[in-house]
Amino acid sequence: DIQVTQSPSSLSASVGDTVTITCRASQSIGRYLNWYQQKPGKAPNLLIYGASTLQSGVPSRFSGSGSGTDFTLTIASLQPEDFARYYCLQSYGVPWAFGQGTEVEFK
Amino acid sequence: QVHLQESGPGLMKPSQTLSLTCTVSGDSISSGGYYWSWVRQDPGKGLEWIGYIYKTASMYYNPSLKSRVTISVDTSKNQFSLKLNSVTAADTAVYYCARVATFWVNFFDNWGQGTLVTVSS
Repeated sequence: DIQVTQSPSSLSASVGDTVTITCRASQSIGRYLNWYQQKPGKAPNLLIYGASTLQSGVPSRFSGSGSGTDFTLTIASLQPEDFARYYCLQSYGVPWAFGQGTEVEFK
Repeated sequence: QVHLQESGPGLMKPSQTLSLTCTVSGDSISSGGYYWSWVRQDPGKGLEWIGYIYKTASMYYNPSLKSRVTISVDTSKNQFSLKLNSVTAADTAVYYCARVATFWVNFFDNWGQGTLVTVSS
């Protein structure tokens, strides 16, 4: 099975900051990596698919990069509505696997 | 716009069989353009892919649950279902149904609101 390690598990930031979240796959997965945002009591919401393609309607301050085993989600100029939990998902090999999640909190 | 809605029991006893149904509107399950999937989230907030069904007859399950899981489709009602046998407290989670977009990469593009299932004696 392909494992995905996400870091950090949490981070503290302020409005306007740029934050970076990382996912590392246990083997090469090409660009089969997707990013989700989840707010309390809600289902995850797709931000980025295929490592770097922004889902329609998602603000351009969200960006993704990487290929192979190392991937990054960057949120530029953090907005109040961005404080949430973020997950990566590898869909290269069955079983698909999520990262453990990153909580982005107010500093 | 596609909408997914889970339904099923909120409280179960150990060893029972969990049955959940996802009703889909705004898209046809039988059209073949998407996979239809179940994902669960435990109280510690970890997300786990359970499995998916494709073109009503092809199923793929997470090996960690494969011996206990069945996903099926009722095209007449535009619904798909999850059955999980022999539940234990470890199966306590929020269960989501989701649509899987199948481009060159697969990803969950629409989710239900989720339903909490608690397993307790």
